[in-house]
Amino acid sequence: DVKVTQSSRYLVKRTGEKVFLECVQDMDHENMFWYRQDPGLGLRLIYFSYDVKMKEKGDIPEGYSVSREKKERFSLILESASTNQTSMYLCASSSITILDQETQYFGPGTRLLVL
Amino acid sequence: AQSVAQPEDQVNVAEGNPLTVKCTYSVSGNPYLFWYVQYPNRGLQFLLKYITGDNLVKGSYGFEAEFNKSQTSFHLKKPSALVSDSALYFCAVGTGNQFYFGTGTSLTVIP
Repeated sequence: DVKVTQSSRYLVKRTGEKVFLECVQDMDHENMFWYRQDPGLGLRLIYFSYDVKMKEKGDIPEGYSVSREKKERFSLILESASTNQTSMYLCASSSITILDQETQYFGPGTRLLVL
Repeated sequence: AQSVAQPEDQVNVAEGNPLTVKCTYSVSGNPYLFWYVQYPNRGLQFLLKYITGDNLVKGSYGFEAEFNKSQTSFHLKKPSALVSDSALYFCAVGTGNQFYFGTGTSLTVIP
């Protein structure tokens, strides 16, 4: 089974803090994604990565950055946390192989509260 | 522009009755269509997908979905709902390596 893990289930941070959210997948997937989930808005893509050291902006990248130094790990960084970044953050990964193409596998999510 | 619409925020159905969760899409080219389920405080779980072939796709937990190209729809169905099916359901469309999600439909199955 594909496993995607996220470093924290719940986080509480203060405004202005730098926040790191870590995501690790164990299936050698090429693609990794960070989403945030808010009621009534569904999932919105923050950043994604096709390969190591490669990143692409999604729909809402402002206030976030990412790092992918190793294939299995994709980190989301909130440079200076703000209260409007309180949300559920979901990491996902997917393969480029034809059999499993396009299917994204999700981690359990990190619920972040910024005070 | 690619988009996915789930017209119902909330669906209630009695246990044992058939259920339908609606999804329509707008995408250029041939779509890859997905359904995911999310239980409280959990990530999204893959249910089923349509890539090509038979328009009726069968997935996990007895769910199925029908791809209708003329109506650009991909409704999720189950013949007999269980209380344990109560969850948040997301439709998604994939193009290339990007996904576009609907806003989700909360399904409540009433005992």
